[in-house]
Amino acid sequence: NAGVTQTPKFRILKIGQSMTLQCTQDMNHNYMYWYRQDPGMGLKLIYYSVGAGITDKGEVPNGYNVSRSTTEDFPLRLELAAPSQTSVYFCASRRGASGRGTDTQYFGPGTRLTVL
Amino acid sequence: GNSVTQMEGPVTLSEEAFLTINCTYTATGYPSLFWYVQYPGEGLQLLLKATKADDKGSNKGFEATYRKETTSFHLEKGSVQVSDSAVYFCALALNTGNQFYFGTGTSLTVIP
Repeated sequence: NAGVTQTPKFRILKIGQSMTLQCTQDMNHNYMYWYRQDPGMGLKLIYYSVGAGITDKGEVPNGYNVSRSTTEDFPLRLELAAPSQTSVYFCASRRGASGRGTDTQYFGPGTRLTVL
Repeated sequence: GNSVTQMEGPVTLSEEAFLTINCTYTATGYPSLFWYVQYPGEGLQLLLKATKADDKGSNKGFEATYRKETTSFHLEKGSVQVSDSAVYFCALALNTGNQFYFGTGTSLTVIP
């Protein structure tokens, strides 16, 4: 049971390039999330999904896109990378069944992205 | 709305000192409350949680009690170690919502 895995661990992009951050969970969780964490700051929610085929915007969705074609995978797409997207990106998941308020959210190890 | 407020950091303590990190919340329903810890270079991991009023969560010597009357969930540890140096996040979740609401995090450094 690997939990939540993210690839790559590190990436440097040039301004205007695109990339996809991969996230996979093997816990059969319904809910998945993408957060960004800027240096010395807390977490900001980018997008989340409550199940395959269903996604919704969080607090800071501009410049990003997501898809959820399977329960396991929740990739985050950056189009036209900008320096403001330099951050550490965390994927997370939780079961999200009835009584979901008591669920623990499990985090991946993060992807450190630098846009130059 | 729903939100979590944590005490500002950074916090620096000597080894074996007593730790308190304050956390208060605002919620539209009856939340579950969580403390997460983030060690340098890693993702967040659950430290403890409490799902109803007066519950006490505990783990690794850390404790927090869910106080509905004061809308608080303060994190405490009686004797900190150097290995406790990390960033601590308070969070809440609701049965009626899809999101977690995180505080801004409190950085703790423990010096020998």
